[in-house]
Amino acid sequence: NAGVMQNPRHLVRRRGQEARLRCSPMKGHSHVYWYRQLPEEGLKFMVYLQKENIIDESGMPKERFSAEFPKEGPSILRIQQVVRGDSAAYFCASSPGRSGNTIYFGEGSWLTVV
Amino acid sequence: AQTVTQSQPEMSVQEAETVTLSCTYDTSESDYYLFWYKQPPSRQMILVIRQEAYKQQNATENRFSVNFQKAAKSFSLKISDSQLGDAAMYFCAYRITQGGSEKLVFGKGTKLTVNP
Repeated sequence: NAGVMQNPRHLVRRRGQEARLRCSPMKGHSHVYWYRQLPEEGLKFMVYLQKENIIDESGMPKERFSAEFPKEGPSILRIQQVVRGDSAAYFCASSPGRSGNTIYFGEGSWLTVV
Repeated sequence: AQTVTQSQPEMSVQEAETVTLSCTYDTSESDYYLFWYKQPPSRQMILVIRQEAYKQQNATENRFSVNFQKAAKSFSLKISDSQLGDAAMYFCAYRITQGGSEKLVFGKGTKLTVNP
């Protein structure tokens, strides 16, 4: 049973470009979460999605950031017009969704904005 | 608001010794879940142990155990017989479930060094 798969692992973008991060949840998991980790800090919640639905995006910046989890295919975290402050590790996690189940994390995607 | 506090930015332990990492949290809920995650230099987030608040018995996973004090809202992690591979950042996390949403709230982490 493959774990949560994220790609790319490392991404370098110039200021103003777009970054797309992909996440395939564990088999059987229909709930996906995105977290951001800035240097020397803990993880901060960004968004919680189920198939075709955004359940909670209270942690997403109001502009330039969006997320989706289509019926088919991976979840995508999209950052438009990146700035240096977007440089961080972005972690995807998944769970079966039943209350109390453990949330499992992927290996993270490291975005560097130059 | 739910918060998680890890008061020890850094800890060190001698190989084969025991170390305890502290975590306190703030919540008004009566039923919830707590987790410890490990982040080694590879930066992957690895689940170490979980605790259901309704269970009085402290969770144990091999050399890892917790001391869960619900009234005090304390959730410390004890690592016995420390190994070099235990060196990592350790994050305590509280799972929030409200309004149809669920998320983890993390502490800022404790960096554990294991000395040979």
